[in-house]
Amino acid sequence: EAGVVQSPRYKIIEKKQPVAFWCNPISGHNTLYWYRQNLGQGPELLIRYENEEAVDDSQLPKDRFSAERLKGVDSTLKIQPAELGDSAVYLCASSLVEASAKQFFGPGTRLTVL
Amino acid sequence: AQRVTQPEKLLSVFKGAPVELKCNYSYSGSPELFWYVQYSRQRLQLLLRHISRESIKGFTADLNKGETSFHLKKPFAQEEDSAMYYCALRVRGAQKLVFGQGTRLTINP
Repeated sequence: EAGVVQSPRYKIIEKKQPVAFWCNPISGHNTLYWYRQNLGQGPELLIRYENEEAVDDSQLPKDRFSAERLKGVDSTLKIQPAELGDSAVYLCASSLVEASAKQFFGPGTRLTVL
Repeated sequence: AQRVTQPEKLLSVFKGAPVELKCNYSYSGSPELFWYVQYSRQRLQLLLRHISRESIKGFTADLNKGETSFHLKKPFAQEEDSAMYYCALRVRGAQKLVFGQGTRLTINP
């Protein structure tokens, strides 16, 4: 079992450019999360999906961030246009749908915006 | 709003010494508390959860509702315990985790 897979692992872009991150959750996990982790901070939830439905996107900056989870499996998180303050590690996690389920994290994508 | 505070960004102890990583939370209801760990070049992973009342890798944590704390303890530190440790809170019935800022633990030989 590969666990949660994310790509790319690293991305360097110039400000105002678009960027996209991809996540493949653990097979059978209905719930998928995107977190952002700023340097020296803990992860902060951006959006949570149950199957293909975004059930909590209250922390997603919707003016420039978007996400999708087509067919309730893989997910893509996009930023357009990127700003300097978007530099962070973007983590994907997945779990079963039960409220007490354990979350499994991917390795993250480290984004640097120049 | 829920909040998790880890007052120490860095903690350094010698091998064999006791370790205590502090975690305080604010939440008006009855939360679930977790400790996550990230070893060098590895992904974030669950270490333990308060509802399990378990000891993992020699670590234990007790939920103290009076002091709103969930400190992580180990009586004898080992070099392989060096890592980033995050305390996290989950509101009962929800799936959102709220993380603290993390504590970098270094075990000196």
